[in-house]
Amino acid sequence: GENVEQHPSTLSVQEGDSAVIKCTYSDSASNYFPWYKQELGKRPQLIIDIRSNVGEKKDQRIAVTLNKTAKHFSLHITETQPEDSAVYFCAASRGSTLGRLYFGRGTQLTVWP
Amino acid sequence: SAVISQKPSRDICQRGTSLTIQCQVDSQVTMMFWYRQQPGQSLTLIATANQGSEATYESGFVIDKFPISRPNLTFSTLTVSNMSPEDSSIYLCSVEGDNTGWANEQFFGPGTRLTVL
Repeated sequence: GENVEQHPSTLSVQEGDSAVIKCTYSDSASNYFPWYKQELGKRPQLIIDIRSNVGEKKDQRIAVTLNKTAKHFSLHITETQPEDSAVYFCAASRGSTLGRLYFGRGTQLTVWP
Repeated sequence: SAVISQKPSRDICQRGTSLTIQCQVDSQVTMMFWYRQQPGQSLTLIATANQGSEATYESGFVIDKFPISRPNLTFSTLTVSNMSPEDSSIYLCSVEGDNTGWANEQFFGPGTRLTVL
């Protein structure tokens, strides 16, 4: 099956700085890569996703890049704010054929004011 | 996105008993999933709940311990049977969109926090 590795496990940044979280995957058939944000005591929330037919996607302060050749994808958060503090999970999926998501271990992001 | 609710939101149970968790969606969905998330950990898929057929379980999870029902396209239940303290965890259901609007996107319910004494 798929194996998703996520780094770093913890990340601390100063407010206003950028944060980057990286994931690698093993299954070349994976074609859908979502990112979830989970605040303490809350459900995981889908914040952005990318499909294998594009290399980059942006939504305001967050962006995701995908390198299919190297089998890695990254989440970029610019101009970080304290409310960005949360655990972020990457995931990979083969899409509609199987549907299931394979999750990374998560990154605890702390943004210091 | 779908509106997903779970009942109960939390429970404290005695070992040896069983708890059934309900997941309700406000629209029809083909795929529903049940996850477990232990404190400080990632999400572990327990099973995929298929409407009209048996659930598909992941390695390490068995039907006798985690029976699942999926009677229609908007509802599913997960039962945690013969509980032990090791079953203490958050249990989340998720749904995947079925049409072009949000196919492949998965959305999570609020979770059920289970403590087994």
